Amino acid sequence: AQKVTQAQTEISVVEKEDVTLDCVYETRDTTYYLFWYKQPPSGELVFLIRRNSFDEQNEISGRYSWNFQKSTSSFNFTITASQVVDSAVYFCALSGSQGGSEKLVFGKGTKLTVNP
Amino acid sequence: EPEVTQTPSHQVTQMGQEVILRCVPISNHLYFYWYRQILGQKVEFLVSFYNNEISEKSEIFDDQFSVERPDGSNFTLKIRSTKLEDSAMYFCASSEQGLYNEQFFGPGTRLTVL
Repeated sequence: AQKVTQAQTEISVVEKEDVTLDCVYETRDTTYYLFWYKQPPSGELVFLIRRNSFDEQNEISGRYSWNFQKSTSSFNFTITASQVVDSAVYFCALSGSQGGSEKLVFGKGTKLTVNP
Repeated sequence: EPEVTQTPSHQVTQMGQEVILRCVPISNHLYFYWYRQILGQKVEFLVSFYNNEISEKSEIFDDQFSVERPDGSNFTLKIRSTKLEDSAMYFCASSEQGLYNEQFFGPGTRLTVL
């Protein structure tokens, strides 16, 4: 069975601090994809990144960076120099190839509050 | 930029009533999904739909639920006889190529069952 664990329920930081959101996953698939979505207070789900299981290169996009480590089944997300607009719930998700399933399996999310 | 749209944004209904939630996926996408999120909890998969048929459904998606693509643009979720526990945010999503592709989500419909 596939499972995503986001152990941090809530994180609170002060603006300009760096913050890392943890994601640990479980899957028996050899091919799978990992995703991060952002859910701001307005409620929509915003796609941030997709990473496949064969690509362990870290990725940086502006203030966002992602660290994928297959050895520890982790796909952590770091926000550098956090801003108030980063306040949201962040979900890590997994999509595997079990029987061709396309469904996303989400973690429970981490609520990030960035205080001014 | 193309986006997934959903109507209504908020639906209030009485227990036992039927509701239809509507979605317009991104126009060139072929794979469609419904997810739900009970308040404060994680997002849960309900059903996926491709080529005019259900490709996968979860345990939540029982006989009370159905999906339909009545025309070339809309994708609907029907709940035949709503229960209190159906109260949740329902998200529609679409993707271009299905497996492994990012799914783009609509803004959600908040369903409140009284």
